[in-house]
Amino acid sequence: DTAVSQTPKYLVTQMGNDKSIKCEQNLGHDTMYWYKQDSKKFLKIMFSYNNKELIINETVPNRFSPKSPDKAHLNLHINSLELGDSAVYFCASSHRREYSPLHFGNGTRLTVT
Amino acid sequence: TQLLEQSPQFLSIQEGENLTVYCNSSSVFSSLQWYRQEPGEGPVLLVTVVTGGEVKKLKRLTFQFGDARKDSSLHITAAQPGDTGLYLCAGQSSGSARQLTFGSGTQLTVLP
Repeated sequence: DTAVSQTPKYLVTQMGNDKSIKCEQNLGHDTMYWYKQDSKKFLKIMFSYNNKELIINETVPNRFSPKSPDKAHLNLHINSLELGDSAVYFCASSHRREYSPLHFGNGTRLTVT
Repeated sequence: TQLLEQSPQFLSIQEGENLTVYCNSSSVFSSLQWYRQEPGEGPVLLVTVVTGGEVKKLKRLTFQFGDARKDSSLHITAAQPGDTGLYLCAGQSSGSARQLTFGSGTQLTVLP
C-alpha cells in the first residue's frame, strides 16, 4: 500500500547513456513533482505537473524530460547522462491547494560513471 | 529566488539534551513546513505553520513561525536517538504556483 513509489531504487550507468525513472502515487493527488537532492542534501525542485500539465519548470537542462501519462504517474527521462547528474532524485505528490504537504517517494540514487 | 538558510548545518548531541534548529529567510512565506528525512528514505512532513507567531507542539518537538513569517525554529526537548535525521524546513510562496522552497538542512545526530 505504498503511497508514492519510484523505481529503480539504485541506478548506475555510464556517461552518455539514456535512462528513465518511474513514479506512481495512489493518494489521489493532482500534482506530482521531481526533486533533485545533491551530495550536500540540498533539495531542489526540477518539475511539477498538475493534471498532466507542466506548471513549474526550473532551469534544468533539456536533457531532462518529465512525462506524465496520467495523474497518478510522472516519469523522468534523462538523455546523454553526465557525471554531474549523479544525485538522489525524489518523486513527490500533493494536492494543489495551499498548505498541502508533499508526500515523497524513497528516492532513486543515480550514479553516473 | 527565495532562499532558506538553516543553522546549524550539523549538530551532534548526547541523549537527553535540548536543541534548537533555525530556519531563516529574507522572504515572506505564506506557510512553512518542517520535514524529517532518514537515510534511504524521502522527507516526511512533521508540521505546517501558517500564522505569524504560531507555535505548534508535537510531543517533544516545538515549532514556531516568526511574527513576520520569514523565519522559523524547531526546538527538541530531551533528544533521543530516534530523533536522529536530516531536518528540512520548506517555505511555501503565495500565488498560483505555490512553490515549496527547501532549506539547506540540519543533520542531527543524537548519541545514546
